[in-house]
Amino acid sequence: QVQLVQSGAEVKKPGASVKVSCKASGSTIFGISWVRQAPGQGLEWVGWISASSGNSKYAQNFQGRVSMTTDTSTSTIYMELRSLRSDDTAVYYCARTTPGEGYFDHWGQGTLVTVSS
Amino acid sequence: DIQMTQSPSTLSASVGDRVTITCRASQTISSWLAWYQQKPGKAPKLLIYKSSTLESGVPLRFSGSESGTEFTLTISSLQPDDFATYYCQQYNSFWTFGQGTKVEIK
Repeated sequence: QVQLVQSGAEVKKPGASVKVSCKASGSTIFGISWVRQAPGQGLEWVGWISASSGNSKYAQNFQGRVSMTTDTSTSTIYMELRSLRSDDTAVYYCARTTPGEGYFDHWGQGTLVTVSS
Repeated sequence: DIQMTQSPSTLSASVGDRVTITCRASQTISSWLAWYQQKPGKAPKLLIYKSSTLESGVPLRFSGSESGTEFTLTISSLQPDDFATYYCQQYNSFWTFGQGTKVEIK
């Protein structure tokens, strides 16, 4: 059974960076997407990374501010978001992207990132 | 970018009602559409993929259909556990979510 366990909540100041981790277990992970949800708002795709090759694709809204990396030795995927603004305050989810299709069949529990001065 | 327009944004219904939620894609996405259910404070849960394929363990009262670029999620008889927010998602070209539909108690 696939499990995705994310790192804990973060509080950051505007202009800082945050790095959120997602540790996978239970099955082969081919790709991981990151999705965020601002308070009371809908779901927004942030980006995707291949867990094996490290190839990544980012949503246009985050180009230049986000980086995704993998550590295959620990099956951990990381998302770093830089130059944080107050409107980056959100819950960030990692989700397994099914190989060959692309829908998200397993999700992490979410990580709340709060950006506040 | 592909835009997904979901309606309604809120839906008030009673237990036992038949409920329909619609999602329209801004361009063709074949059948590359998924539906998710989200409850407060929880991660989304996959219900349906490839427009109409039910994820394992999802009750049969949920179904999905399509007509061109319009996709529909139907709950045949609403149950107490179904009061939640529902999102569509296209995965034909990168990924885009609809705005969400909150199903609340009438």
